[in-house]
Amino acid sequence: DTEVTQTPKHLVMGMTNKKSLKCEQHMGHRAMYWYKQKAKKPPELMFVYSYEKLSINESVPSRFSPECPNSSLLNLHLHALQPEDSALYLCASSPPLRGRLMNTEAFFGQGTRLTVV
Amino acid sequence: LAKTTQPISMDSYEGQEVNITCSHNNIATNDYITWYQQFPSQGPRFIIQGYKTKVTNEVASLFIPADRKSSTLSLPRVSLSDTAVYYCLVGGPGGRRGFKTIFGAGTRLFVKA
Repeated sequence: DTEVTQTPKHLVMGMTNKKSLKCEQHMGHRAMYWYKQKAKKPPELMFVYSYEKLSINESVPSRFSPECPNSSLLNLHLHALQPEDSALYLCASSPPLRGRLMNTEAFFGQGTRLTVV
Repeated sequence: LAKTTQPISMDSYEGQEVNITCSHNNIATNDYITWYQQFPSQGPRFIIQGYKTKVTNEVASLFIPADRKSSTLSLPRVSLSDTAVYYCLVGGPGGRRGFKTIFGAGTRLFVKA
C-alpha cells in the first residue's frame, strides 16, 4: 500500500459547525503533515507530526486542531471556521530516516476540498 | 529554508524536451533539492530529488551544478498529460522533527499538441 488516503473528498460546513478531516497511511511513515492550498497557490505547511508528536506548527489559528492518534492516522479538527478557510487541505507522510540523516520524499493524499459557508 | 525562484509559466509542444530551472542562491550545505508535480485538485506527486551533479529516474533528470545555487528539471519528450504545475523545493533533513517541506510558487507547464 503506497497511498495516503484522505476523507472526505469534499466537505461543506457552516461557520458554527465542528467537523474533522481524516488522513490514513499504512506505509510505516512516522512523519505526517497537513497543508492548506488555495486556488492557484502553492501548498502551505500547517503542521508536522513526527513519531506521533506535534513537532511543527506554522502559527496556525486555534480553530484548526490537529491530532495524531497513532502512527497511521492524522486528523484535523475544524471549529468556527471562516469563509476564507475554504481551500484544499492536503495530508502527506514521509518515511523514517535511514542510516545517516537524509532528506526524504513526501507522499501526498488527494486532499479534502473544504467550503465554509 | 532557502528561497526558490522559478519561472511562473512555460509552454511546450508534445515530444519536446522541457527544462525548468530553479534558483536557490541561499541553499545550505545539508539541503536537498526536490521536485514535485501537481495536477489540478490533486495532491503533489514526488518526481525527483538530488543533492549534487545529476540524478535520473524513469520520468525525469535533475541537473545540479557544482555551486548548487540552481537546479534544472529535465522532462524528456513531454506529452499533453505532463501539463501541470512543477514545484522546486529546497530543504534540509528534518531529523526527528520531520521534513519541513515549504513549496515555492511553482512553474505552470502547458504542453500543446
